[in-house]
Amino acid sequence: EIVLTQSPATLSLSPGERATLSCRASQSITTYLAWYQQRPGQAPRLLIYDASNRAADIPARFSGSGSGTDFTLTISSLEPEDFAVYSCQQRSSWPYTFGQGTKLEIK
Amino acid sequence: QVQLVESGGGVVQPGRSLRLSCAASGFTFSDYAMHWVRQAPGKGLEWVALILYDGNNKFYADSVRGRFTISRDNSENTLYLQMNSLRAEDTALYFCVRSPPGRYYFDNWGQGSPVTVSS
Repeated sequence: EIVLTQSPATLSLSPGERATLSCRASQSITTYLAWYQQRPGQAPRLLIYDASNRAADIPARFSGSGSGTDFTLTISSLEPEDFAVYSCQQRSSWPYTFGQGTKLEIK
Repeated sequence: QVQLVESGGGVVQPGRSLRLSCAASGFTFSDYAMHWVRQAPGKGLEWVALILYDGNNKFYADSVRGRFTISRDNSENTLYLQMNSLRAEDTALYFCVRSPPGRYYFDNWGQGSPVTVSS
C-alpha cells in the first residue's frame, strides 16, 4: 500500500499570505495525485487532479506541482474561505490512499 | 448539476448489518464508476469500495473485504453499500463519490451518511 505523508500537520497563516502544502509518497506515483479541500461540516471538494490540473470552477490561486514522490499544493494569496483541511490522494495503485491531511488555520 | 444523496445510516450494534443507498442525478449514472469513501470522527479519508460503470467489477479495501458489498442499479441511478458484521471501527461518515471515466480520482461527493456502531 502506498503511504502518503502530508506536512505540516497544521499551517497557521494570515489572509493574503502564500500557503505551501506538501505531500510525499512512499514510492513513485508519477503524477497520479489529487488534492481536496474540506471545510468544516462539508464534503471534500476536488481542487487538483493529476498533480497539476485544476478541477472545474477552482480559482487560479490554487496550483499543484510535482511528480514521482514529492508534490506541492500552493495557494498564492489566501482568502478567508481557504482556511480548511487539505488532503492528497493517489490513484497510482490499489488501494487508493489519502494523506492524513493538513489543517490550514488563520493566524 | 451533479447530485449524490446518501441515506440509510444510523446507529447499529456490533455484528449487525446496515445498507446505505446513494441516489444520483444530474449525469448519466451508467457511464461512471462509483465509490464509497469514509471518514471516522476526527480522522482522515479512507477509500472503501469501487464499482465500475456496468457493475461487473468491484474492488474493496482490505479493512472491509468479505463484510461489505458494493452494488448499483443503473435503471434506478442508485448506488448501494451492504455492510455486514459491523465493528466499532466502521463508525464513520460514509460518502458516495463519483470518479471520471478511467480516472480514479473523486470529482463529485455526496454530503455523507453517518454510521455509528455501538452497543
